[in-house]
This record gives sequence, structure tokens and C-alpha cells, in this order.
Amino acid sequence: GAVVSQHPSRVICKSGTSVKIECRSLDFQATTMFWYRQFPKQSLMLMATSNEGSKATYEQGVEKDKFLINHASLTLSTLTVTSAHPEDSSFYICSARDSLGAGYTFGSGTRLTVV
Amino acid sequence: GENVEQHPSTLSVQEGDSAVIKCTYSDSASNYFPWYKQELGKRPQLIIDIRSNVGEKKDQRIAVTLNKTAKHFSLHITETQPEDSAVYFCAASLYNQGGKLIFGQGTELSVKP
Repeated sequence: GAVVSQHPSRVICKSGTSVKIECRSLDFQATTMFWYRQFPKQSLMLMATSNEGSKATYEQGVEKDKFLINHASLTLSTLTVTSAHPEDSSFYICSARDSLGAGYTFGSGTRLTVV
Repeated sequence: GENVEQHPSTLSVQEGDSAVIKCTYSDSASNYFPWYKQELGKRPQLIIDIRSNVGEKKDQRIAVTLNKTAKHFSLHITETQPEDSAVYFCAASLYNQGGKLIFGQGTELSVKP
């Protein structure tokens, strides 16, 4: 079945630095990628939607200059958290769909801790 | 945009009993309603889904019902087991249009032996 590989699984960074999270579709072409953030004991909140080769569409309240999304190829999408602060500490998870729109395939998630 | 409300937030049942989780959605155009089980620190796992052209779907101990008119759908788990303990999320999307998946708030299910 469809697989999305997400890395890193865990990352600790210092305040003010940037962190990049990668999601790769291993056996299909991810034409659309959704990025979610999940705080402890809360739901998955959609941050943005990206289509390959296009600029990402951000949900209301999500700072596009802080959360940079790149979807330059059909197999790779990245989320960069810039100038990270402790309040950015969260579980980030991607979800990909192919051109046929067959389901939503989730990555394994990234636990970000900003100290 | 779509908004999904989920209840209850916590649910505790005895092993063998049934569990029911309910969700409502706001966008009448939504046509795909999956349910996910998520264990701590892991990705959501799809357990069952339903499209808007059917009213009920069953897979062994799990069933989902959909009422399009009322815009609500429910998850039913029968003969619950301790390993069913997890957080369950409902979601809704406009499937064929590459729609974004919007999640409910989640239900923490605890099945007591």
C-alpha cells in the first residue's frame, strides 16, 4: 500500500533556530500534501495544503512566513519551522494524496521540542 | 469552511460493552467521513470510512452510520476489548475534489477489563 516516510521522528532544537521536516511518498506520486499540527491531548489541526509545483495554501491563523512549505517534487514535501519558539513544540504530521485522490496516507509524525 | 464536532471527549466502558461516538459536520458538500484510531505518539490509523452515498457500513465489530440530512455520523464498536482503548477521531472531507481532511476533537476511549 501507499507509504509516506516522515523524518525526523523526533527533534530538539534551540529557540531561534529553524527545523526542517521531510515527508516522502515512497511508492506513489503525492500531488497534494496536507500538514497538521497536534498539541498534547488535542486534535490534528490542519496548517496548510500544498500541491506539487504551487504555493501552499495556509489555514487561517497559521503564519506562512514562519511555517515554510515546499512541495517541489511529486515525492517530497518539506515543512520548515523558522525561528522556532517553545510554543512551537508539537507533533507535526503530514498526509499525502495522489493524483487519483486515493485516500489519505499519513506520515509517522515528528515530535518537535524547542528549548 | 468545514467544522467537525465530536462527542464525547472521553468514554469509559466495560469490556464486552458497546461504545458509540458521534460527530456532526457543517459543510453539506462533504462526502467522505473516515474514522481514525490514534495511539500516543503514532500516526492516525484508518479503521473505517463511509461515503455520502451510503447510510451504514460495517466491518466486524466496527460500524459507521451516516445521516446526511442531519449532517451527523457515528462510530459503533461492539464487544469492546481492552486493546480498543485509544483516541478516536472522526473527520470529513470533499473527497473527489482533493479536499482537505478536517478532524473532530477526538474521543479518548477506555475499555476496562
